[in-house]
Amino acid sequence: AVMTQSPLSLPVTLGQPASISCRSSHSLVHSNGNTYLTWFQQRPGQSPRRLIYKVSNRDSGVPDRFSGSGSGTDFTLKISRVEAEDVGVYHCMQGTHWPFTFGPGTKVDIK
Amino acid sequence: EVQLLESGGGLVEPGGSLRLSCAASGFIFSHYDMRWVRQAPGKGLEWVSGISGSGDKTDHADSVKGRFTISRDNSKNTLYMQMNSLRAEDTAVYYCVKDFDYSLDYWGQGVLVTVSS
Repeated sequence: AVMTQSPLSLPVTLGQPASISCRSSHSLVHSNGNTYLTWFQQRPGQSPRRLIYKVSNRDSGVPDRFSGSGSGTDFTLKISRVEAEDVGVYHCMQGTHWPFTFGPGTKVDIK
Repeated sequence: EVQLLESGGGLVEPGGSLRLSCAASGFIFSHYDMRWVRQAPGKGLEWVSGISGSGDKTDHADSVKGRFTISRDNSKNTLYMQMNSLRAEDTAVYYCVKDFDYSLDYWGQGVLVTVSS
């Protein structure tokens, strides 16, 4: 499954919301009924960190300003109020179809 | 606390070989599939190889098939990647990643492999 993201670059104002779209070339609904869409945050100079799994489940320690939504082929990561520590690249990944595939990444920085 | 610590990267000439290692701790290593994911400079993430918890099943991306071999030693809680016939396009940071429920929940800090003459 080919994953695309938009925008690829997202300048944001501190305290304002931000939204990233991720689309798959194939439905990500697994035969078991689950949808395996994951979001990662990669801060500058760091390794990726998982934020969201199975579309909308936040990992432990992830601030609740991050939320994931979507279904089928269209998914969204939202940041309700951007903070300085949110700067980095956000990657979506599908785990439904072999092999796992990633989107190209969306770079979020501060205006 | 889950920790994944990669080692073995460096500069190698085209056609050369390297062996990456990943020391795992903080979880029952043999219970989980593991993967290698790489990131070329300034580029996105690319899955490279995967191995089942017992080590009896492996798979590799077409871009590395026949050149890279993933393996594990559950008695040492260590994941490996033998990389042969290296090419310039293999230059990347290689991450050791824990697989869980069709997702990747923990990543190592990464190790840089540079293929250049």
